[in-house]
Amino acid sequence: RKEVEQDPGPFNVPEGATVAFNCTYSNSASQSFFWYRQDCRKEPKLLMSVYSSGNEDGRFTAQLNRASQYISLLIRDSKLSDSATYLCVVPYGGSQGNLIFGKGTKLSVKP
Amino acid sequence: DVKVTQSSRYLVKRTGEKVFLECVQDMDHENMFWYRQDPGLGLRLIYFSYDVKMKEKGDIPEGYSVSREKKERFSLILESASTNQTSMYLCASRDRGHGYTFGSGTRLTVV
Repeated sequence: RKEVEQDPGPFNVPEGATVAFNCTYSNSASQSFFWYRQDCRKEPKLLMSVYSSGNEDGRFTAQLNRASQYISLLIRDSKLSDSATYLCVVPYGGSQGNLIFGKGTKLSVKP
Repeated sequence: DVKVTQSSRYLVKRTGEKVFLECVQDMDHENMFWYRQDPGLGLRLIYFSYDVKMKEKGDIPEGYSVSREKKERFSLILESASTNQTSMYLCASRDRGHGYTFGSGTRLTVV
């Protein structure tokens, strides 16, 4: 069975804080995973891909732990504009397969 | 950038009406998807298509059908709209091995 689990939050953090989200998954042999960001009443947008070697893009770092079947997203020096829902996405069935979305973790960054 | 265009941002329809939601992508992607998103339930896959005239049921196909006559266009059809189909509908396009690009969504209200 394919499952993608996330803590729904909300995570309420002050500006400048470091915050981390985890996502657990089951039964995927994929080599790459994804984090999406979704603003209120908008469509999800790709934030970053997650590879076995991890991925860093500015203040954002994504890690994959295949043995424990979880993916993490770390946001350093949080900005007010980081407030959004973060969706963990797991591919199933190879490059032609579908993506399974977690229900998302809500982040609220306060001044 | 890949562009996925959904024909309507907001729609209000009456119970029993036949509803067409249109989606067009401009990057020659083979894979296209229709999701609905509801609070607390996340994104749920309705139908998807890997090629012209090809369609596959997702997790919640009941009450819906799709049409893919041209590669760039994927239409979702509500045969007889019901109030429990009030939702945000998201179309997505995908290149093999990569993440999805979503349209901006159609917020459908059935009264």
